[in-house]
Amino acid sequence: ETGVTQTPRHLVMGMTNKKSLKCEQHLGHNAMYWYKQSAKKPLELMFVYSLEERVENNSVPSRFSPECPNSSHLFLHLHTLQPEDSALYLCASSQDPSGSLSYEQYFGPGTRLTVT
Amino acid sequence: LAKTTQPISMDSYEGQEVNITCSHNNIATNDYITWYQQFPSQGPRFIIQGYKTKVTNEVASLFIPADRKSSTLSLPRVSLSDTAVYYCLVGTNAGKSTFGDGTTLTVKP
Repeated sequence: ETGVTQTPRHLVMGMTNKKSLKCEQHLGHNAMYWYKQSAKKPLELMFVYSLEERVENNSVPSRFSPECPNSSHLFLHLHTLQPEDSALYLCASSQDPSGSLSYEQYFGPGTRLTVT
Repeated sequence: LAKTTQPISMDSYEGQEVNITCSHNNIATNDYITWYQQFPSQGPRFIIQGYKTKVTNEVASLFIPADRKSSTLSLPRVSLSDTAVYYCLVGTNAGKSTFGDGTTLTVKP
């Protein structure tokens, strides 16, 4: 148990569906991150929020829309996804107020997404 | 961009010391070096972080030479439960950092 929870753990959705992934951290951290991990690929950083403001968006397609309503919660809204978006989506948090990767990150267990 | 290069896989036996090296030729002055461990169907877990020379904690050591263009994660006396993927991460700014491809360590009895 890392103090970062993600729901759902598994999700199957069609290309026309709209769904949301939820992440919650119970560590009092300032920064939260979304990562994508595809089969046999390294971790890809998608979004970074620091003190509830987006500080990084690594050229992610607009069909992925993040939301950070407060420092403890992070959402990833999904719509009109493609089969190649099937992956493990990981959320992480850290104490770093700047949202950099130089502080220890605590990862959730991930949501396994399958797009059919 | 601080790109990292690691061996794709390594095999070891229980009780041995394992050293995994990461190359990061483009490391910047402010960059830290961080290592994570990941088991199947789980998120990565922080192992150790360093800037220069040597860092040691209860699970591993990290050796960084003076030029900082590489680093070596050392796992003493590995056990079967250390079988996992190990990632080297270099950087400070989130937009200029990247996880490497990872090294799959397999520990055999």
